[in-house]
Amino acid sequence: DGGITQSPKYLFRKEGQNVTLSCEQNLNHDAMYWYRQDPGQGLRLIYYSQIVNDFQKGDIAEGYSVSREKKESFPLTVTSAQKNPTAFYLCASSLSGGEIYEQYFGPGTRLTVT
Amino acid sequence: QKEVEQNSGPLSVPEGAIASLNCTYSDRGSQSFFWYRQYSGKSPELIMSIYSNGDKEDGRFTAQLNKASQYVSLLIRDSQPSDSATYLCAVNTFTSGTYKYIFGTGTRLKVLA
Repeated sequence: DGGITQSPKYLFRKEGQNVTLSCEQNLNHDAMYWYRQDPGQGLRLIYYSQIVNDFQKGDIAEGYSVSREKKESFPLTVTSAQKNPTAFYLCASSLSGGEIYEQYFGPGTRLTVT
Repeated sequence: QKEVEQNSGPLSVPEGAIASLNCTYSDRGSQSFFWYRQYSGKSPELIMSIYSNGDKEDGRFTAQLNKASQYVSLLIRDSQPSDSATYLCAVNTFTSGTYKYIFGTGTRLKVLA
């Protein structure tokens, strides 16, 4: 089955700890994205990558880091510098980063930091 | 700041009725538009994409695009209780040298049995 997997589904961490969220896709998509969703707000772009070994900051990159060493994988690290990390994190991918391409989402990771 | 606006709802319709969901966008140059359905606690699921003015039908769903009015809508015919969800409008817009999706905050639809 082709698709996007994210793990874990739920993640609980203490303040001050870094945490890494996994995102893997077997769709052979070039572009991958990380979004954050908070109640009452639209999805906000954290980081995106249009090709292996290259990634760009989105609108709210502060306190986050990513890597793209393999086409299939785009892990997101939430660092202790992120002021309000509790949120629903969504990974997406598309065939390419161009204008017409549809984005498909993974199941998401719900992160709670106390 | 490029924006996508949706009425947050809830929009309540009786079972079997047509649900009409609307979205306006600010970037006149946008060419690609998408509708996602998101059930509570789940991730968004792509329903429709539309790129040309007019209507595009897929089963019970019809997307309508009017670029002159910067307006895109989603009609759901014969609404079912299982259609109750939040519907997100997304516009692929060229900004800061690349294409990015801008999402609306979503319209919550309630289909009453």
